[in-house]
Amino acid sequence: SAVISQKPSRDICQRGTSLTIQCQVDSQVTMMFWYRQQPGQSLTLIATANQGSEATYESGFVIDKFPISRPNLTFSTLTVSNMSPEDSSIYLCSVGLGSGVETQYFGPGTRLLVL
Amino acid sequence: TQLLEQSPQFLSIQEGENLTVYCNSSSVFSSLQWYRQEPGEGPVLLVTVVTGGEVKKLKRLTFQFGDARKDSSLHITAAQPGDTGLYLCAGGRSNFGNEKLTFGTGTRLTIIP
Repeated sequence: SAVISQKPSRDICQRGTSLTIQCQVDSQVTMMFWYRQQPGQSLTLIATANQGSEATYESGFVIDKFPISRPNLTFSTLTVSNMSPEDSSIYLCSVGLGSGVETQYFGPGTRLLVL
Repeated sequence: TQLLEQSPQFLSIQEGENLTVYCNSSSVFSSLQWYRQEPGEGPVLLVTVVTGGEVKKLKRLTFQFGDARKDSSLHITAAQPGDTGLYLCAGGRSNFGNEKLTFGTGTRLTIIP
């Protein structure tokens, strides 16, 4: 498994501003992912963070709104840009260990409230 | 489109009772994961099953992957208050090393002491 930390753990932001969420892993991992979990709901994949290249976004998510960086094999950031109240969610990063099986391990999440 | 449907969506039972949560899809998955998420935390992996018909036991929890690898179930025996949480199944489709997961709709379980 892997130990994953996220910062900040929670934040309250004003609409129109941007927030960058950090995800740090205690070991080098092949795959890193970002998810959104809206209140009371399941997880929706935003994008796969690729080391050394642009992230791969899922349908309905675009780079201008959710820019992602992955400068190395242990760190990634997700920015939520030009926020609106609809962006209020839990944002989770996860890692896959590249073992050929799709098991992922999750960070504790960042709870975002946009006013 | 949600590819994995879980049932029931909500379940509230007394401590000591047994329960089963179902995860169903029309699609075939190469693996199936079950996670439990408690308030304020990220999902925690419970089990991964990869073979059709596979059964895994984790103390009072029994997981089964369907023969056709389209469905799964989670059975809890003698439920305890510590079992309370959001249970999520997630299916994987390995595609040239892209290990994406599709998550189920979730089952919110409450065990009443």
